[in-house]
Amino acid sequence: DSGVTQTPKHLITATGQRVTLRCSPRSGDLSVYWYQQSLDQGLQFLIQYYNGEERAKGNILERFSAQQFPDLHSELNLSSLELGDSALYFCASSVGPSRGETQYFGPGTRLLVL
Amino acid sequence: GQQVMQIPQYQHVQEGEDFTTYCNSSTTLSNIQWYKQRPGGHPVFLIQLVKSGEVKKQKRLTFQFGEAKKNSSLHITATQTTDVGTYFCAGVGTSYDKVIFGPGTSLSVIP
Repeated sequence: DSGVTQTPKHLITATGQRVTLRCSPRSGDLSVYWYQQSLDQGLQFLIQYYNGEERAKGNILERFSAQQFPDLHSELNLSSLELGDSALYFCASSVGPSRGETQYFGPGTRLLVL
Repeated sequence: GQQVMQIPQYQHVQEGEDFTTYCNSSTTLSNIQWYKQRPGGHPVFLIQLVKSGEVKKQKRLTFQFGEAKKNSSLHITATQTTDVGTYFCAGVGTSYDKVIFGPGTSLSVIP
């Protein structure tokens, strides 16, 4: 158990819909990262927040957005969903702002878009 | 931009055989991290290598960081069924703000 929690574990929705994925980092960690893992793309970095502020952006689509709240939990919002958005979405956390630090991954949310 | 490659993509070994996966970066790295992901699980941090030429061991696992800090390897001696999973390397750029995950090597161990 990494100490990072993610909800929900599974999500099934239809194209065009909007969903919110939630992540709570390890106690004491200020950075939260979001990753997308699909069969053909591997682990793709989406975005990082550090202490409530956006720190780094990766391959995140404009239809996706995220935020980190004062209690440090984070939410990833996916809208206008397409079939290709079906994937595992991982949240990870680390202590500081540097992406070079060890990241602890949550169990992931499996999203299926039908 | 920075790219991180891993070979092989898949490896099937007989239990007891050795296994090696190689990680190559297109640019010089400040450090490299290795993660393991079991089937149906999430990536779990294994180790971080920082120094040029560094070698670290964890029981049957040996990790090496190349002299030029552009490549790394993970060697497993006498594989066991518990070693099954995908092994990812993650290259950390010299500015510490860029981390690129390799595509992973999927290891299957035949009992």
